[in-house]
Amino acid sequence: SQQGEEDPQALSIQEGENATMNCSYKTSINNLQWYRQNSGRGLVHLILIRSNEREKHSGRLRVTLDTSKKSSSLLITASRAADTASYFCATDGLTGTASKLTFGTGTRLQVTL
Amino acid sequence: GAGVSQSPRYKVAKRGQDVALRCDPISGHVSLFWYQQALGQGPEFLTYFQNEAQLDKSGLPSDRFFAERPEGSVSTLKIQRTQQEDSAVYLCASSSHAYEQYFGPGTRLTVT
Repeated sequence: SQQGEEDPQALSIQEGENATMNCSYKTSINNLQWYRQNSGRGLVHLILIRSNEREKHSGRLRVTLDTSKKSSSLLITASRAADTASYFCATDGLTGTASKLTFGTGTRLQVTL
Repeated sequence: GAGVSQSPRYKVAKRGQDVALRCDPISGHVSLFWYQQALGQGPEFLTYFQNEAQLDKSGLPSDRFFAERPEGSVSTLKIQRTQQEDSAVYLCASSSHAYEQYFGPGTRLTVT
């Protein structure tokens, strides 16, 4: 079963605009990661934020984590057409296989010229 | 190519057939994961290997699904007596440490 949900399910913006997508999860976590999936291709790791961190930056990506609300957001600044993809958050748990990832339902981002 | 590779990329099977999906992880990666991704959904965990040991198979949906990694490198996911609900993309990932996983391109299985 999916860990949680992402919203919006789909997002369409113009090149140069910022894109924000949100992720909610259900259980306590060690880390939360964001992955990108282009059509017909595998998942690519973007960024990891630990449960004791609140914000992290990597290039044009900014991730926030609020463990009290069990939610995270991914901001992509100055979007490009190449950012068109599906974006998934994934959490790893505190029990069982620690590195087993539980994915959200994904946000499909379309960046138009 | 140093990435995770999977074969075949596409597989069409008639209901009731057995299929075998192969994953070649990144050389030296101890951990290997299989995930199933239905259309329009996020991937769902199937099973996890550390070297040749299958440490977690809690995500395998039925006893028709079987995975192995006999020498701690290449892994095979086998599905017996395929059903239509098995149609999905099967993703393999490997990792050298606990967190960042490197995914292959997946095998798209269609059961007709």
